[in-house]
Parts: sequence; C-alpha cells; structure tokens
Amino acid sequence: QVQLQESGPGLVKPSETLSLTCTVSGHSISSAYYWGWIRQPPGKGLEWIGSIYQSGSTYYNPSLKSRVTISVDTSKNQFSLKLSSVTAADTAVYYCASTLRAPNDYWGQGTLVTVSS
Amino acid sequence: EIVMTQIPLSSPVTLGQPASISCRSSQSLVHSDGNTYLSWLLQRPGQPPRLLIYTISNRFSGVPDRFSGSGAGTDFTLKISRVEAEDVGVYYCMQTTQFPWTFGQGTKVEIK
Repeated sequence: QVQLQESGPGLVKPSETLSLTCTVSGHSISSAYYWGWIRQPPGKGLEWIGSIYQSGSTYYNPSLKSRVTISVDTSKNQFSLKLSSVTAADTAVYYCASTLRAPNDYWGQGTLVTVSS
Repeated sequence: EIVMTQIPLSSPVTLGQPASISCRSSQSLVHSDGNTYLSWLLQRPGQPPRLLIYTISNRFSGVPDRFSGSGAGTDFTLKISRVEAEDVGVYYCMQTTQFPWTFGQGTKVEIK
C-alpha cells in the first residue's frame, strides 16, 4: 500500500526558506509518473505548487516559480519542497501527492506550516 | 492558465437523494494524447483530499459506484446517485491536461 508522509518545521520566519520532505513507502520513488506538492491556506481551496516527473523534469506554478524547488532523493525514497522568501501568505497546509496510475492518486496527511516571526 | 469553475459552491442535500456538481474549464481539456485529464476529489472535514474520479469517468480504487463522472471538452459533471452521510465534504474538480495544474474553487456538500 502506497503511503506518503510530509515532514518539516511547522513554523518558519518571514523571508526564510520553507523546507519539507515527503517520505514514500510501499512504492519506489523511481517508478511513478509524477510526485508533487499542493497547498491549502486555512479555510481556503487547493493550490498546485509543482511536480517532478520521473525523468527529473520539474513543473512549477508560475505564481511561485521564482521561489520553488522540488527535488527527489532516490536513495531515501523521498522528495522535497523548498520555498524561499516566505511571507504570511505562504501559511498553509502542505500536501505531497503522487501520480502513479492516475493524477494525484495518493496523498499525504498534510502538514501545517505557519510563517510568523 | 486554465481556470476551473464549479457550480454550485454549496449544495445542501437530503440523505438518499441524488446530487450533482458541475465543473467548467476555460479551455478544452483534451490532451494531445487524446485523453481528457479531468479529475474529481473529495476532501472530508479534517482530512486530505481523496481521488474519486479521473479522466472524466474512471472511478479510482475503492470508490463506491454511486459516484459517476461525465462530460467532454470543457463541461463536466460529478453525480452521486444516492447521498450517504460519509459523502459530506468539499468536492474539487482538477485539470492535469496542461501545466499549471488547476483546481476548481470547491463545492461544499452538506446534509439538509
């Protein structure tokens, strides 16, 4: 059974870099179509942040592109998100998700990241 | 960017009765490979989203057959044949035909 679990700091200071990791179990990270990140500000809808393809190609939301990096660590079966120069507007629940057989077929439980000094 | 618009944004429903949600895209979701990458997800209160339907009408593993999807091009519909209590939550349509992937605003389904 495929499982994804986000981890990382729950509190980040303004202007700093948000760093999250998604650990995948039950499936090799080398054999999916996409791995991606989606976020949800409190009380609001879903926003796609970006995805990394099996080839290593990355695709980012243009609204975040200048600040986002997604990468894969095959040795640890993990992929990660870095979002730089964060502001209060980046406060959200961050989800990692897979595209194995269908778009966004498996999701992590999500992790709340608050940007505050 | 493809804009996804859902109607209605809120839907009070009666247990055992049908429910329907519409999703319209600002441009065709037909991919160059011939598939239409329109999905429906359900987010129950306090939980992560869960995939229900992909490529318009394919139910994901474990999804009850009371859920069905239909449509083509730019107009899509999710139908619940008989609403059950566990169907309460926010439903999102999502397109993955073109980057950036985009979601609808969400439709909140609650029991009357």
